[in-house]
Amino acid sequence: QKEVEQNSGPLSVPEGAIASLNCTYSDRVSQSFFWYRQYSGKSPELIMSIYSNGDKEDGRFTAQLNKASQYVSLLIRDSQPSDSATYLCAVNSGGSNYKLTFGKGTLLTVNP
Amino acid sequence: NAGVMQNPRHLVRRRGQEARLRCSPVKGHSHVYWYRQLPEEGLKFMVYLQKENIIDESGMPKERFSAEFPKEGPSILRIQQVVRGDSAAYFCASSPVQLANSGNTIYFGEGSWLTVV
Repeated sequence: QKEVEQNSGPLSVPEGAIASLNCTYSDRVSQSFFWYRQYSGKSPELIMSIYSNGDKEDGRFTAQLNKASQYVSLLIRDSQPSDSATYLCAVNSGGSNYKLTFGKGTLLTVNP
Repeated sequence: NAGVMQNPRHLVRRRGQEARLRCSPVKGHSHVYWYRQLPEEGLKFMVYLQKENIIDESGMPKERFSAEFPKEGPSILRIQQVVRGDSAAYFCASSPVQLANSGNTIYFGEGSWLTVV
């Protein structure tokens, strides 16, 4: 069974710090990787996608992908209280372009 | 994605009743995907539909659940004889073409929260 693993948290960081969120996946043929942010009672919101090994930066967010280690991470620089949410890692299931396997999410709390 | 509209946003049903959740895709999109998020669980794929066709229902429970996407009108996720374990958030997404391995992603609607009492 294809799995995506994340630490459930909570991860607590002070305002202005770097938050580091990690995710591992089991399906070696996965090619697309996503980070979603979900506020309580709301729908998941896509914040980053990454398809190639290495880093991808978008504003305060950096996604890192290492396919050899089957590892993807999300760094949030200059964390703000508004970043407090659950972060979901998602991976496309091998050979399936529309079927994403999600981790259970990591709860991030940014303390003012 | 504000373009994907789901209703009702919140639905309460008694055990044994039927629940119907509707999803109106972004205008012009002909591909619809349903996901379910159980309490304390990750989002899980349920079904992928194109207009008038079920493409992949590998994530649908074998009984009581059905989905359709008619030529006209929204996609409907139907749950018959609901049980408490069906209480979850149900999210819909749409796309204009089948999602490719790169460059296309899933954007969810606001979701429908089903509570079975």
